[in-house]
Parts: sequence; C-alpha cells; structure tokens
Amino acid sequence: DVKVTQSSRYLVKRTGEKVFLECVQDMDHENMFWYRQDPGLGLRLIYFSYDVKMKEKGDIPEGYSVSREKKERFSLILESASTNQTSMYLCASSWASVGTLGEQYFGPGTRLTVT
Amino acid sequence: AQKVTQAQTEISVVEKEDVTLDCVYETRDTTYYLFWYKQPPSGELVFLIRRNSFDEQNEISGRYSWNFQKSTSSFNFTITASQVVDSAVYFCALSEASNTDKLIFGTGTRLQVFP
Repeated sequence: DVKVTQSSRYLVKRTGEKVFLECVQDMDHENMFWYRQDPGLGLRLIYFSYDVKMKEKGDIPEGYSVSREKKERFSLILESASTNQTSMYLCASSWASVGTLGEQYFGPGTRLTVT
Repeated sequence: AQKVTQAQTEISVVEKEDVTLDCVYETRDTTYYLFWYKQPPSGELVFLIRRNSFDEQNEISGRYSWNFQKSTSSFNFTITASQVVDSAVYFCALSEASNTDKLIFGTGTRLQVFP
C-alpha cells in the first residue's frame, strides 16, 4: 500500500514564526505536491516537485517555499507565518504524468492554525 | 482556461436515497483525464475513479456509478442506496494532456447521509 505521511495532524504557531511541514512517501514516486484546502475554495496547488531538487510554483506560491533534498521527502516552509495561512495543508505524491498513469496519493493533512 | 465546477456545495440525504454529485469541466485540450476523490472525516483524499476523454462509457462499481458526457462537459457521480459511510467531501478533478502532472480540483461537494 502506498503511504504518504505528514509530520503533524495539528499545529499551532504564532505570527512571524518559521514553520516546517514535512511529507514522506514510500512508493518511490517522482512527483510530490503541496496543496492548501480552504472551505469553498477546494484544493489549491502551492508547489510541486517532479524530481529531487526540482520544484515548480503552483497557483498560490506566495509566502511559501519548498525543499526536496531526497526523493521521498518534500517539505513546505512558511518563512514568516501569517494568520491568513491558517488552513489545512495536504501533501500528495504520484508517478510522473499522473493523468496518464494514475492518481495522486494523499497524506492525512496538517491543520495549521496561526495566531 | 481549465476549470472544474462543482455547483453543489452541500447535499443532505437520508440513508437508502440515491444521490448525484455534479461536475462540469472546461478545457481546451482534446485529451484529458477526469477524476473523483472522496475525503472522509479523517482528512485523507481517496481516489475513486479516473476516466480519459476518449472513453465515454459509463462506469459502475458497486453502488457507485459515473456518467461522462463530453457534449455537456460533465462527469457526474451517482451513489445508489446511500449509506452513512458515504458521508464525506467529494472532489472532481481534471488533468490535461498538455500538463499531465497536475490536477485541477473543483471546490468539492459535502455529502451528509443521515440514518
């Protein structure tokens, strides 16, 4: 079974803190993704990575950065957390060319609250 | 531009009722892929189905069925004889051949099935 794990289910941080969200997958997938989920807005892509040290901006990259030093691990970084970054963060992974080969596999999500 | 619309924000039904979740998509690609995902209260999105644009055959899997109609750009999902365990948020998503690594999600439909 494919497993995507995220470091925390719930996280509370203060405004201005640097926040790291970690994601690990065990299926040797090329692609990894970070989404943000907000009510009424669905899932919005923040960043994705198609290989180690490679990354591409998604639809809402502002205020975020990412790191992929190893194939199985993809980190999302909030350099200086703000209250408007309070949200559910979902990590996913897939084989390359997800549309032709199959689906994305999701982690359980991290609910981040910035106070 | 590519877009996925799920106009139904929330649907409530009583157990054993049939329910249809609507999904309308927009794309300029002639080759594309459509997906449905289920997000139960645990938070992890679970893949349900993938369909490519060349295959308009309807699909049935147990109590679930999908109706793909290119003429109306719709990919609707029907649950027959709904059960309480079907309560979840359901997302429709689109992947285009020009960029198969990315999924474009709708805003989701929350389904509540009451006993």
